[in-house]
Amino acid sequence: NAGVTQTPKFQVLKTGQSMTLQCAQDMNHEYMSWYRQDPGMGLRLIHYSVGAGITDQGEVPNGYNVSRSTTEDFPLRLLSAAPSQTSVYFCASSYSGQAANIQYFGAGTRLSVL
Amino acid sequence: GENVEQHPSTLSVQEGDSAVIKCTYSDSASNYFPWYKQELGKGPQLIIDIRSNVGEKKDQRIAVTLNKTAKHFSLHITETQPEDSAVYFCAASPLNNAGNMLTFGGGTRLMVKP
Repeated sequence: NAGVTQTPKFQVLKTGQSMTLQCAQDMNHEYMSWYRQDPGMGLRLIHYSVGAGITDQGEVPNGYNVSRSTTEDFPLRLLSAAPSQTSVYFCASSYSGQAANIQYFGAGTRLSVL
Repeated sequence: GENVEQHPSTLSVQEGDSAVIKCTYSDSASNYFPWYKQELGKGPQLIIDIRSNVGEKKDQRIAVTLNKTAKHFSLHITETQPEDSAVYFCAASPLNNAGNMLTFGGGTRLMVKP
C-alpha cells in the first residue's frame, strides 16, 4: 500500500492563477479531508468527504473547491490563488465509524502564492 | 465549535529527560483525543490516542493522561531520545462526528539535545 499520495510536493503560483492539488489513497477509506498548516495554528480543516459524491465544508473553506467522484481520489482546487493561501496542504483519509478516527496523512504540498 | 489550545509552542530538553505537552479543549462532547508526531518534511502520524472512558494510556516511553472534568489532556515522553525531536500536535473530536474530523492544537516543537 502506498497510503495517501499527494502531488505535487511543491508549487509556486502567481496571484489569480488556478490549480488543483491531487490526493489519492489506496486503503479503501471512506473518509477523506484536506487541511492547511500554518505556523502556530496547527492544522485547519478546509473540506472533507464522507464518501464518493458527498463533500462538506470545514473551518476554512473559502477560496477552495473539492469533489469526490471516486473513493480513491479527492482533489482540492484553488480557483483564484491569493497570497493568503500560501501554506502547506495535507490530505488525510480514514475508515468510517466510531472506531475509525485514526487519520492517515499524506506528505503534504507546499504552496507559495506570489 | 471545538477549540483546542496547546502549550508550550516550543520545548527543549536534554536527552534522557522527560517532556510534557499539555492541551485544553472547549467542547464537552469531545471524547477522542489523539496525538500526532510530524517529522520534518512529512505528514503527521498518529503516535497514541485516548478515549474518554480511559484516564491514562501508555505505550512504551509515551503516555497520555486525560482529565475530562477539567477538559485537559497531556502527552508525556520519558527518557527522550534525539529521534523524538519533531512537532507534536494534539487534537480532539466527538466519536460520533459523522466525518471523524479533528480539531488540532497549534503544535509543539520538541527539541531533544544530545
